[in-house]
Order: sequence, then structure tokens, then C-alpha cells
Amino acid sequence: DTGVSQNPRHKITKRGQNVTFRCDPISEHNRLYWYRQTLGQGPEFLTYFQNEAQLEKSRLLSDRFSAERPKGSFSTLEIQRTEQGDSAMYLCASSSQMVYEQYFGPGTRLTVT
Amino acid sequence: DQQVKQNSPSLSVQEGRISILNCDYTNSMFDYFLWYKKYPAEGPTFLISISSIKDKNEDGRFTVFLNKSAKHLSLHIVPSQPGDSAVYFCAAANTDKLIFGTGTRLQVFP
Repeated sequence: DTGVSQNPRHKITKRGQNVTFRCDPISEHNRLYWYRQTLGQGPEFLTYFQNEAQLEKSRLLSDRFSAERPKGSFSTLEIQRTEQGDSAMYLCASSSQMVYEQYFGPGTRLTVT
Repeated sequence: DQQVKQNSPSLSVQEGRISILNCDYTNSMFDYFLWYKKYPAEGPTFLISISSIKDKNEDGRFTVFLNKSAKHLSLHIVPSQPGDSAVYFCAAANTDKLIFGTGTRLQVFP
């Protein structure tokens, strides 16, 4: 296990379609985070899990967005009825509890046409 | 409201010289600060961090300085190398999430 992995790396979808992204964290990390990054901005926090519990959600996470982490391992982020404004890089990060350093995956670039 | 600011969008430095990247924050409740480096088409890579109870942390060519009274931190890279060319983000820890600045693009030229 060499790091955080994300799939797919790229996704092109038409407006109104649903998409799902997957994140596999570093195996010993019990915290998993989702961020979104748009051009010229830093990553923006969306939500995070400690084990299987979703502990915080940003106001950026509209009701079209849902994240899960069944069994506290991998996580999925689903966007329903995609809009052009959803086009961004979606980043996943993981960390151990009680440490601040988060380790990021390569991201999934979503393009909504 | 942007709680973490990087006011210089870009910086160009000659190889071998010092690179200084700056970051300002507004929330005095932040208790930990981090720097990340990002290459195109990759996720951010953790570089170095500092607790709010310290004013300096050093790791090889990288040193982070924290001035709490000024709510300012900086990253020094000495000597700069062409492989350091990337976008650098500072981040502040707010409870369990990180709040990032907008990044500074560093270019190190020969």
C-alpha cells in the first residue's frame, strides 16, 4: 500500500447525469476526507469520516452530493444530477487520528458538459 | 471570507538561491499549519508542518517560520532546485479539517 488511490482519474459526463467516485485511503488511516479544487483555488473541504462515521459536512456539499464509507475502508462520493458548476478536481485524503497531516490521492477530474 | 491567504500568485527564483513563500491567516484559533506542494495532474504532497506553540520547524532544505502575533507564516527553501518548481499551498488546521490558501506557483530557473 503506497498511498491514497482514487478512481477514475478523469470523468466526463453530461449535465444531469449521476457520477460516483471512489477513494481508497492508506490502510492504517482511520480518517478520510473529501475536498474539491477549482482552477486558481486551493482545495476546499467537503466532508470527512472517522472510520465509517461521517462527522462533518461542509455547506458546499449540497443535497445532490452524498458520501459513504461502508465498513470504514474505501469511500465513495456520488453527485446526482450533475451541473456544469460541479466541474472540478475532487481530492481524497486520509490521516491517522490525532495527527493533522493529511495525505492526498491524485484526484478525480470531473468535467460536466 | 478567506481565512488563509497567499497574496503572491507566483514567484520566480534562480537555482541555488533562497525561495520564500508567504502565507497570512485571520483566525487566531488555528493550532497547526502545513505546507503542501502540488505538481500538475497530481494531488497535493505534504511537505512540512508547524504547531502553533512553535515558531520554527526545519526539515532539510525546508524551514517553516510562524509569527503568531502577525498571523503570518513563511516557507523557506534553501537552496532552491529546479525540481522545486510547483504550486505551494499553505493550510491551517481548524478542528479536523484543513483550510487552504490559493497557492503560490514557484518557478526555479537555472
